[in-house]
Amino acid sequence: QQQVKQSPQSLIVQKGGIPIINCAYENTAFDYFPWYQQFPGKGPALLIAIRPDVSEKKEGRFTISFNKSAKQFSLHIMDSQPGDSATYFCAASDQTGTASKLTFGTGTRLQVTL
Amino acid sequence: DTAVSQTPKYLVTQMGNDKSIKCEQNLGHDTMYWYKQDSKKFLKIMFSYNNKELIINETVPNRFSPKSPDKAHLNLHINSLELGDSAVYFCASSPAGAGTQYFGPGTRLLVL
Repeated sequence: QQQVKQSPQSLIVQKGGIPIINCAYENTAFDYFPWYQQFPGKGPALLIAIRPDVSEKKEGRFTISFNKSAKQFSLHIMDSQPGDSATYFCAASDQTGTASKLTFGTGTRLQVTL
Repeated sequence: DTAVSQTPKYLVTQMGNDKSIKCEQNLGHDTMYWYKQDSKKFLKIMFSYNNKELIINETVPNRFSPKSPDKAHLNLHINSLELGDSAVYFCASSPAGAGTQYFGPGTRLLVL
């Protein structure tokens, strides 16, 4: 049972392009939606996050678009660079007492070519 | 000034052995987590502790036992290792009740 569905599985774009990664969720109890970036051999690093009362959030070249009614959210990377080549994970969080339980998507492997 | 650290970075062992992975965070967070990332890169939560108290315990074999000696440390002990335990194990931490989690560099476990 995949509670957070992510697509595409992999993506190749040219430098300067705008890759878009999409996620959809089912559990309406989710209240926080972070995106993580993971380089080979490293741990996931928080990139940007959004709460469901906001439809869009932008930080530098990274933008999250959020559609609460459709239960979908997406990551856009403006002016992509070869250094952005990594695996990107969307996630959704719900509270369990004093802990937040992150449910991850399956990841998108992004390659930015010159 | 590492925020979340794990030791060891690599662990190669034989089936049936018992091993431990240690995690420490210096962020002052109250909540710590263990995640497993399988060969397909899928990340799944295993456990969460808040100030030494177990909060989340997903469907994990009881061969896995987390232990939190204090709120800055969360260790993972694995008994009777199996081939299927081969994965990367990540520790993470967050302020209590916050959705933002900070991950360690991972421990790559290979069971032969």
